[in-house]
Amino acid sequence: EVQLVESGGGLVQPGGSLRLSCAASGFTFSNHLMHWVRQAPGKGLEWVGNIGEDGSAKNYVDSVKGRFTISRDNSKNSLFLHMNSLRAEDSAVYYCSRKDVWGQGTTVTVSS
Amino acid sequence: QAVVTQEPSLTVSPGGTVTLTCGSSTGAVTSGHYPYWLQQKPGQAPRTLIYDTSNKYSWTPARFSGSLLGGKAALTLSGAQPEDEAEYYCLLTYSGVGEVFGTGTKVTVL
Repeated sequence: EVQLVESGGGLVQPGGSLRLSCAASGFTFSNHLMHWVRQAPGKGLEWVGNIGEDGSAKNYVDSVKGRFTISRDNSKNSLFLHMNSLRAEDSAVYYCSRKDVWGQGTTVTVSS
Repeated sequence: QAVVTQEPSLTVSPGGTVTLTCGSSTGAVTSGHYPYWLQQKPGQAPRTLIYDTSNKYSWTPARFSGSLLGGKAALTLSGAQPEDEAEYYCLLTYSGVGEVFGTGTKVTVL
């Protein structure tokens, strides 16, 4: 069964950092472009960024450029989202996605 | 970055047909935007229904279809069922830049 499972969410103070992880299983992870998508409470979906199959190509939405970094470890079938300088507006459910397959999401709350 | 616009809400009768559209602030939506359509119900993760304009997955109900219509991507639901009541999002790819979700359409089956 193809599966994505996110972890690492939690409560963090403004200006703080957090690393989200996504464990992939049931498919050849290294063959797929992977994405992070977020959804603030009561709001729509927002594409955060993606990373190419070998990790060399990355794209980000303007609002997170310079603060968030996506990485992957193909040997461990894992995707990561490193978040720095967090703001209240980064509070959301963060989804890992292959675009056809989605994780269940992990919640990030930025608050003092 | 581009703004992708959808109808805020649409209502369809059970068994009826409704078409959702997805427009781009940069101009006409084409197959080169590789339009995706996703369904999301409250408290659930999104579920992808359509990829690359009109292609379906094994789990996509036959009553959903995708197309390009008048410079926009379109999702048509034919024979609406109560379980189709949900929020629907399109997703467009902008080459070399990234991807952008539409604003979302809340579909009510009533």
